[in-house]
Amino acid sequence: SQTIHQWPATLVQPVGSPLSLECTVEGTSNPNLYWYRQAAGRGLQLLFYSVGIGQISSEVPQNLSASRPQDRQFILSSKKLLLSDSGFYLCAWSVPGAGGPAYNEQFFGPGTRLTVL
Amino acid sequence: AQKVTQAQTEISVVEKEDVTLDCVYETRDTTYYLFWYKQPPSGELVFLIRRNSFDEQNEISGRYSWNFQKSTSSFNFTITASQVVDSAVYFCALSPRSNDYKLSFGAGTTVTVRA
Repeated sequence: SQTIHQWPATLVQPVGSPLSLECTVEGTSNPNLYWYRQAAGRGLQLLFYSVGIGQISSEVPQNLSASRPQDRQFILSSKKLLLSDSGFYLCAWSVPGAGGPAYNEQFFGPGTRLTVL
Repeated sequence: AQKVTQAQTEISVVEKEDVTLDCVYETRDTTYYLFWYKQPPSGELVFLIRRNSFDEQNEISGRYSWNFQKSTSSFNFTITASQVVDSAVYFCALSPRSNDYKLSFGAGTTVTVRA
């Protein structure tokens, strides 16, 4: 069966510090990968998605970046955190192929709660 | 552009009551997919259902049922005989065929079921 891991689970960082959040998926190959941010009391905002190693698409311009160094690894980074970066970060994956990415449901990880002070 | 509106921010019910969550969407695409996800207090979103824009059949799964009406661009979700374990945030989401990778979420409805 497939599983998705995220770490750390919680993180408190000072403004201006760097960030690295990691997401890994097990039990599937060549998944589509996604990073979302959920601000308090709000829905999810898609930040990045990736359809393959080294392929990253950004949905929202910001001081965050993403990388996919391996097939099932997705990393969210920042060189300098802002207060507005606080939130709940969720990684998700979906099956590529038949039905298309619009059709296939996404499976979410447990999330990382980031507080920037 | 796509938009999903969940007008109800919070709903509180007593156990065994029915609760209906509203979802209204906007899209110019003729082919699209609608989803409902549940986010329990643990934070991880759980997929509940997907609906194809060409399939307006209502669906029932246990105590959950969904009513898709294309004429009113609505995809409502009903929990029958609610239980405390149904307490969660529920998100409606839209994925248009023309923008394969973007799943647009509503703001979510927090459901609290009291014993």
